[in-house]
Amino acid sequence: GAVVSQHPSWVICKSGTSVKIECRSLDFQATTMFWYRQFPKQSLMLMATSNEGSKATYEQGVEKDKFLINHASLTLSTLTVTSAHPEDSSFYICSATTPGLDTDTQYFGPGTRLTVL
Amino acid sequence: AQTVTQSQPEMSVQEAETVTLSCTYDTSESDYYLFWYKQPPSRQMILVIRQEAYKQQNATENRFSVNFQKAAKSFSLKISDSQLGDAAMYFCAYRIFENTGKLIFGQGTTLQVKP
Repeated sequence: GAVVSQHPSWVICKSGTSVKIECRSLDFQATTMFWYRQFPKQSLMLMATSNEGSKATYEQGVEKDKFLINHASLTLSTLTVTSAHPEDSSFYICSATTPGLDTDTQYFGPGTRLTVL
Repeated sequence: AQTVTQSQPEMSVQEAETVTLSCTYDTSESDYYLFWYKQPPSRQMILVIRQEAYKQQNATENRFSVNFQKAAKSFSLKISDSQLGDAAMYFCAYRIFENTGKLIFGQGTTLQVKP
C-alpha cells in the first residue's frame, strides 16, 4: 500500500503558542488529504478535507481560524494549531488519497500526539 | 446523512478461534464503499478489507472476510484463526462512491485476543 508520514510524532507546547504538523505522501501524489482528531478510545473525527491548491473544507463545529490547513503541493499538507490551549491536546491523524489509488482508498499517517501545557 | 454503527464496544476471542465484528450503516446511496480498518496500540490505521457495494461477492483477505448484506445494510468482519497480533481497535467505515470522498467511521470495537 501507499505510505503516508507525519511529523512530528509527538509535540509538547505551551499554552498560547502555535504548532505545525506535517503530513506527507511519500510514494504517490495526493490530490486530497484529510485531517482527523482522535481522543483516547474513541473514533476518528474528521476535521477537514483539503484539496491541493484550494482552500480546505472544514466540518461543522471545527474552527477554521484555529486549525489552519494548507495543501500547497501534491505531497504535503500542514495543520497548524494556533494559540493552542490544553483542550486542543489530542491525537491528530492525516490521511491521503488520489483518484485511482487502490479504488481511491485513504492511506493514513502514523498520527501526531499533541500535548498543550 | 450517512451513519455507521458498531454496537459492540468490546469483544474477546481465544487464540486460533473465530470472531465476528458487527457493523451496520445507513445510506440512501446505491453505490458506495465499505471498509474495515484496524488500529493497534501503535495507533497506526491499517486497512484490513474493502468492499464495493456494487459487488455481490463478499471480499476476503487471507484470514479476514466480510459478510456484506446490502439490503440489510450490514457489513460484518469475520476473523478466522485469530492471532495475538489481531488485538486492536477495529473501525468500520463508509464512503460514497465519489472519488476521494470522506470516510464516515463507526464508534469502533476493541478486540482482545486471549492466549
